[in-house]
Amino acid sequence: QVQLQESGPGLVKPSQSLSLTCTVSGGAISSPDYYWTWIRQHPGKGLEWIGQVFHSGITAYNPSLKSRVSISVDTSQNQFSLKVNYVTAADTAVYFCVREGVTAVNAFDFWGQGTLVTVSS
Amino acid sequence: QSVLTQPPSASGTPGQRVTTSCSGSSSNIGSNAVSWYQHLPGTAPKLLIYSNNQRPSGVPDRFSGSKSGTSASLAISGLHSEDESDYYCAAWDDSLSGYVFGTGTKVTVL
Repeated sequence: QVQLQESGPGLVKPSQSLSLTCTVSGGAISSPDYYWTWIRQHPGKGLEWIGQVFHSGITAYNPSLKSRVSISVDTSQNQFSLKVNYVTAADTAVYFCVREGVTAVNAFDFWGQGTLVTVSS
Repeated sequence: QSVLTQPPSASGTPGQRVTTSCSGSSSNIGSNAVSWYQHLPGTAPKLLIYSNNQRPSGVPDRFSGSKSGTSASLAISGLHSEDESDYYCAAWDDSLSGYVFGTGTKVTVL
């Protein structure tokens, strides 16, 4: 059974960078059958797709965040990471790392538990 | 910024059938597959439906999905108390070149 676990600081100061890592167990992140994705949920709001990375390093980002976001993959550690630059209070959210199937089940089939990141001085 | 519109709430008594809709456009639902997720706040969301109407293994057949044009629907038959949760639709949007989610529907079991 695939498991994903987010890790990183729970508190970030405004204008600084938010960095999170997702560790994948029970499956290889180098598989060509999946994208590795970050999704967030603002307090009391719906879900927002941040972006995705393929094992090759190819990425796609939400246009509204593209200028501040980068997602990378480390196949040797079976991890992928998110960095959001110049954060503001509007980046306060629960951040989920998620696996998306490319072929058989083309949807977000496994999710991490989520980690709350608060942007505050 | 949610591009897909869902009713904010739906409710039913145990055993009833409850449906919720997801309205989009030609660039998302109209041309791409829809998936549905169950999310109890504080937990990891769970995939219920993919490719408009397919259930992953382990999801009860009480849950069903359909799509017509630029709208999709999720139906829960034989409502259980544990079905009380938030439900979100999602689809790839060709204009945005990214995924969009619905606004979410809170299902209450009366």
